[in-house]
Amino acid sequence: TQLLEQSPQFLSIQEGENLTVYCNSSSVFSSLQWYRQEPGEGPVLLVTVVTGGEVKKLKRLTFQFGDARKDSSLHITAAQPGDTGLYLCAGEFVDSWGKLQFGAGTQVVVTP
Amino acid sequence: ETGVTQTPRHLVMGMTNKKSLKCEQHLGHNAMYWYKQSAKKPLELMFVYSLEERVENNSVPSRFSPECPNSSHLFLHLHTLQPEDSALYLCASRSDRQNTGELFFGEGSRLTVL
Repeated sequence: TQLLEQSPQFLSIQEGENLTVYCNSSSVFSSLQWYRQEPGEGPVLLVTVVTGGEVKKLKRLTFQFGDARKDSSLHITAAQPGDTGLYLCAGEFVDSWGKLQFGAGTQVVVTP
Repeated sequence: ETGVTQTPRHLVMGMTNKKSLKCEQHLGHNAMYWYKQSAKKPLELMFVYSLEERVENNSVPSRFSPECPNSSHLFLHLHTLQPEDSALYLCASRSDRQNTGELFFGEGSRLTVL
């Protein structure tokens, strides 16, 4: 089983601060997705990245895909309490199309 | 109704009980998934159905039995479960026609086995 490692496991910050969450693997991804899950809900897709070196922005969220397609990061600028949630990366590996492997997630708490 | 709907949202059962979880999607997707989510662990893929045929069974114990009667409905039949099976069970659907298709999740069924 190819593993995705997410770090940190838990992040607590004040409103207005910036944060970065990382997702790494020793294998190459054919694509990678980031999801956010709020309590009592299922995960909801934030972004999909497929090209090495790709950068995508979604309002205050910036997603980067590593050049070698083995890692990704999610950066939140000026975090708000509404950003609180479990952030999950999910990768599809080049030799296992259709099978998404999830990381354990990073729990982010933004306090006012 | 739209999206992916799971019932029941909460279920408490004894180890000798038989129960079922239900999932319904109204998105026209042709692939459906069962995932298990335990605290501080990655989502574990349990079963995948594509065009109503099971295409993935990740060494799941036989006390979990999936059923996909049509492309809109997915069941997970539970029988003689163990306390360590307590978890959030998430159903998801996806269009297999897209290589990087988004997974649409239901809200999950929180299962507690006593």
